[in-house]
Amino acid sequence: GQQVMQIPQYQHVQEGEDFTTYCNSSTTLSNIQWYKQRPGGHPVFLIQLVKSGEVKKQKRLTFQFGEAKKNSSLHITATQTTDVGTYFCAGRRTDSWGKLQFGAGTQVVVTP
Amino acid sequence: DAGVIQSPRHEVTEMGQEVTLRCKPISGHNSLFWYRQTMMRGLELLIYFNNNVPIDDSGMPEDRFSAKMPNASFSTLKIQPSEPRDSAVYFCASTPEPSYGETQYFGPGTRLLVL
Repeated sequence: GQQVMQIPQYQHVQEGEDFTTYCNSSTTLSNIQWYKQRPGGHPVFLIQLVKSGEVKKQKRLTFQFGEAKKNSSLHITATQTTDVGTYFCAGRRTDSWGKLQFGAGTQVVVTP
Repeated sequence: DAGVIQSPRHEVTEMGQEVTLRCKPISGHNSLFWYRQTMMRGLELLIYFNNNVPIDDSGMPEDRFSAKMPNASFSTLKIQPSEPRDSAVYFCASTPEPSYGETQYFGPGTRLLVL
């Protein structure tokens, strides 16, 4: 079945550095969403990408949707301790009621 | 805006006991989802309701799990009998749109521990 894979599973980052997490689907997606879950918290919606090749920015976060609508990336610049948490991508399927398929997440740890 | 409300926030029970988790979606949202999150399996969709009707329950693990949505403002997830492997965080989420590919608003979760 359709799967959404995220890499890396874990990311240790020095404060001030940049990093990127990637999301890949085995099939074309209708859209992709990104969520952030702080330790002990719940997933919180960050952004949705719909168009092929779309790029959106939220301050230090840059989200991109691939041309084939099968992959996405989240790039964070100048990482801060507030960026700690797990980042999930969720792809909306083109079949099966448009089901949202969550990736396993990238757990980000920031070292001061 | 109260957000999605879940109760209890924490539950510790013994194997074999019945567990009932509760969820109140955001007012006006007509789609509701139950998820289970574990380290091993990540975030799993258990069941999806639209307008109080179960649309997709393919993620419900087995007959020990059941979910109901008697009205637009309340849903329950019941585990009977509970087993240690059911220990997880259970999230409820809602969305204002009828399709479950839309932005989902998660509740704070219920942390369940079955001893």
